[in-house]
Order: sequence, then structure tokens, then C-alpha cells
Amino acid sequence: GAVVSQHPSRVICKSGTSVKIECRSLDFQATTMFWYRQFPKQSLMLMATSNEGSKATYEQGVEKDKFLINHASLTLSTLTVTSAHPEDSSFYICSASAQIAGGRPDTQYFGPGTRLTVL
Amino acid sequence: RKEVEQDPGPFNVPEGATVAFNCTYSNSASQSFFWYRQDCRKEPKLLMSVYSSGNEDGRFTAQLNRASQYISLLIRDSKLSDSATYLCVVKRSRNAGGTSYGKLTFGQGTILTVHP
Repeated sequence: GAVVSQHPSRVICKSGTSVKIECRSLDFQATTMFWYRQFPKQSLMLMATSNEGSKATYEQGVEKDKFLINHASLTLSTLTVTSAHPEDSSFYICSASAQIAGGRPDTQYFGPGTRLTVL
Repeated sequence: RKEVEQDPGPFNVPEGATVAFNCTYSNSASQSFFWYRQDCRKEPKLLMSVYSSGNEDGRFTAQLNRASQYISLLIRDSKLSDSATYLCVVKRSRNAGGTSYGKLTFGQGTILTVHP
């Protein structure tokens, strides 16, 4: 149980295009979903936190108009990188949090990540 | 100052060696502590939680010193498959959209390579 998927796993796009990344909890309902970004040789940095049906809460320094987050249901959150530029190239990872039977409270389950390359 | 600091390494050790990683955190409001493992180009995976009393899981032993805000991980009898980046992670409560959740803050990670 507690599987989180991301799609696509890898995307290469031209500068100026928008890219949508999906994060799904496959076998549980996620009360909260998180989006992280990891640049090479750096740690995961939390970008934003979203609860189903409400606006996302963005971390300091993350532009909410550039990184659009939609959390339409308890199993799906999307991150759209608008007008992507080469400096947005990174590894984007989502996680989902819920109380799973037999699991620790508030545990985050990570998706496999999406590698974005902007040319 | 980073909220979670780790020695990035790399640590290169032979099979069978014992290796120790250290981590410090700056926010005394941190509530929970973990070690994650991340393989190249993969997502992080939870290795173990860390408690003040110390805890062991097979060849892995983790320790927390709240007074010093220091966390450690000891790996005994290293295997080739232990090669990875080890991430020190702390969690504290945050509120967003009317919901309380645990925010994870990751260290930069310590690279371990175990060679034959």
C-alpha cells in the first residue's frame, strides 16, 4: 500500500513552454500533497504544500504564478511549470500524506520524481 | 545557516567496514527525525526514524541528541548495496490552508560508496 505515482517520469521541452506534472496517490486518499525540487548535488527543497480543494501554500522564494498547483481531488495534484526556462531544469518530486492503517501518522510517501530538462 | 547540515562526503569504504554519518539541525522546534536513503536519480526512501533512546535496525543504528541538536547514523558491515546518498531529515509542524502537517526539511546528503 501507500503508492504514489508521477507522470511523466521525464520531460524535455523548449524554453517558453509550459509543462504539467501529475502526482497521484494510487491506493489511499492524500489529505496533503507536497511538491519538492532537487537541483544536482543539492538537497530536496519544499516548494509548496497543498490540501484538496484549497489554495497551495508556497515556500518563501517560490513564485506561485510560475509554479501553478492544482489539488482537485484527494488522489491527484498537478504542478504546472509555466513558461519554463533552462534554470527550471530540475528533479521535481511529489509526496502525499495521510493516515494509513498500520503506518505512522503524518507519514509522507514519495513519488518516483519527474526529471525536467528545458532546452 | 542551513537548517539541516551534513558532511557531503564522499565516504569511500571497503565492504565490511563500519561508517558513521553526522548531522546537526538548527531549529529546536523540530519534532521528529529521520534518515532517508536516495539512490542516483531516484526518490528518497525512508531508512529509519531516529529516537533519543537510540534505535537499531539490523546493521543500522541511529541516535539523537536533542540537547546538542545532533543526529547520527552508524552502518556496520557495509555492503556494496549500501552505496547511496544518505539524507538527514527533520520534521516540524506547520499550518497551511487550515490543516496542520509535518514539514520535512532535508539535509544536503552524505554520499557513501562501498567498494569491493
